[in-house]
Amino acid sequence: GAGVSQSPRYKVAKRGQDVALRCDPISGHVSLFWYQQALGQGPEFLTYFQNEAQLDKSGLPSDRFFAERPEGSVSTLKIQRTQQEDSAVYLCASSLTGAGANVLTFGAGSRLTVL
Amino acid sequence: DAKTTQPPSMDCAEGRAANLPCNHSTISGNEYVYWYRQIHSQGPQYIIHGLKNNETNEMASLIITEDRKSSTLILPHATLRDTAVYYCIVRVGSGNTGKLIFGQGTTLQVKP
Repeated sequence: GAGVSQSPRYKVAKRGQDVALRCDPISGHVSLFWYQQALGQGPEFLTYFQNEAQLDKSGLPSDRFFAERPEGSVSTLKIQRTQQEDSAVYLCASSLTGAGANVLTFGAGSRLTVL
Repeated sequence: DAKTTQPPSMDCAEGRAANLPCNHSTISGNEYVYWYRQIHSQGPQYIIHGLKNNETNEMASLIITEDRKSSTLILPHATLRDTAVYYCIVRVGSGNTGKLIFGQGTTLQVKP
């Protein structure tokens, strides 16, 4: 596609529910990134994929957060047993490769509200 | 990755140039300087990036000092639609995931 597509755009969950957020990167982009952005803060890195391989998951805040990209294209970020502190915008970005000269293109984000 | 320092907020008059400074005194030789902006309720939007030389595109100009310890993003004729949070980021050039580490950014308010 022309850009990075994320769904759903808005998700409301009750505390304790599991949620799944989807990211469709730009076609052909090898690298895929997930970020979490709390209200009033800059985006914070969660995890990185190169094709289907998850090469960096150092930013995942707890073992309740899980990300996958099984076929090297679409990625899903799953949050189990959601807590109120998980309320944030979850951003996905893709780039042609992971090299520093390649631009990251971001999606519009998925806004998660945990009640 | 090197850290960046930006002023938390700036104002600019519509039609005038907006000059947004960024300090990155610990930048390494292979780290690029990237600028993104984020308009309310949207994802970060790429503006420009550079390694050593000054760069210009249809959106902005990037001026990097010779020692590479600071840079300035220039929006030549700011409009009300340029009101946003602007992030200055340094990113490793190779052999890395190339992830962007965002700071707090500069909130630019363009006023009529």
